[in-house]
Amino acid sequence: DQQVKQNSPSLSVQEGRISILNCDYTNSMFDYFLWYKKYPAEGPTFLISISSIKDKNEDGRFTVFLNKSAKHLSLHIVPSQPGDSAVYFCAAISNSNSGYALNFGKGTSLLVTP
Amino acid sequence: NAGVMQNPRHLVRRRGQEARLRCSPMKGHSHVYWYRQLPEEGLKFMVYLQKENIIDESGMPKERFSAEFPKEGPSILRIQQVVRGDSAAYFCASSESAPTNEKLFFGSGTQLSVL
Repeated sequence: DQQVKQNSPSLSVQEGRISILNCDYTNSMFDYFLWYKKYPAEGPTFLISISSIKDKNEDGRFTVFLNKSAKHLSLHIVPSQPGDSAVYFCAAISNSNSGYALNFGKGTSLLVTP
Repeated sequence: NAGVMQNPRHLVRRRGQEARLRCSPMKGHSHVYWYRQLPEEGLKFMVYLQKENIIDESGMPKERFSAEFPKEGPSILRIQQVVRGDSAAYFCASSESAPTNEKLFFGSGTQLSVL
């Protein structure tokens, strides 16, 4: 039962352009959402998060947008850089339900070309 | 300040053998989580432990898998009588407190291959 879905397995973007990674979820109890970035042979590293009481959170080149009614969130990277090439995982959790498990999507592999 | 340390990085076992995966959390972290990533899949939660206690093992298979986090030493994920379907990357994460999950720090993982 995949409660967090990333329907694009891969994305290719030119350096300097915007990268938009999408994520959908099915569980309305989720109230906290995170993006993790993963390089090959390394563990995921936290990138940015958003609480369900907000619709936008920005950190430098990274912005996460949340549309609760559509159960959809997206990660925008602008401008994209070659070093951003990695697999990006969307994750969600229900803190209000005393949940301890992060629910991850399958990931989107981003390639930023020079 | 060393990060989350997992060893071994790669582990090869034959069917029926036991696999032991070790995880040393970041200094000062007393909360440990184990996740598994099967090929072409996202990470799946397995178990959450604090020192000497299993808090949530809802993601652990009912048989052959066990986890511990003793008072002294690393957390251990143990898989008995491994089967080919156990081949995966196993990631450990730690945090200073829970359930503030943005502060999860992941190790580099152990890649288990079952022949």
